[in-house]
Amino acid sequence: RKEVEQDPGPFNVPEGATVAFNCTYSNSASQSFFWYRQDCRKEPKLLMSVYSSGNEDGRFTAQLNRASQYISLLIRDSKLSDSATYLCVVNPTDRGSTLGRLYFGRGTQLTVWP
Amino acid sequence: GAGVSQSPRYKVAKRGQDVALRCDPISGHVSLFWYQQALGQGPEFLTYFQNEAQLDKSGLPSDRFFAERPEGSVSTLKIQRTQQEDSAVYLCASSLVGGRSYEQYFGPGTRLTVT
Repeated sequence: RKEVEQDPGPFNVPEGATVAFNCTYSNSASQSFFWYRQDCRKEPKLLMSVYSSGNEDGRFTAQLNRASQYISLLIRDSKLSDSATYLCVVNPTDRGSTLGRLYFGRGTQLTVWP
Repeated sequence: GAGVSQSPRYKVAKRGQDVALRCDPISGHVSLFWYQQALGQGPEFLTYFQNEAQLDKSGLPSDRFFAERPEGSVSTLKIQRTQQEDSAVYLCASSLVGGRSYEQYFGPGTRLTVT
């Protein structure tokens, strides 16, 4: 079983729509969670960290449910420029894990159309 | 400022050839990671350096893969006797210190195609 499971999509939504992505992780010792964005043929870039209490950055809201080992990302008022692949990322911090080693989901592809 | 750079950006190798991929991390970054990203997948960890020490190489898929960072700065990932399944994008990332609090900055990757 993969460390991080994500629905690959694709999600195709009109401008202005609200869209939500989810992922689950298997290592309950995980302490750090992130969403990365990857544009076509480009490198991943950090979109936002995910905190236990949930956090918001403009149109983006991230939520974490430790009991269910579930992470979500909500994008409101979608823009054309939001079209990209969104990667759910976990950083386990149990004794056997390399500090800083990231586990990526396979990514969810989003296309926002005009 | 300068980000992580990688070279070459594209590499085509015939099956059986050896290749060397270079990563220049952000100056002063202690930690350096190599990841492999197959088409349609997320990046998969290969190996990790803290300065010149290779602390984790558990993700290297076979003994044909070898990585080094002799002076704690530039790193090279070498693949011997390349196979078609080695075709992927190889990403290098660096961070100021290894640890969950520190963002990893990725280079643009080297796209390796083995024919």
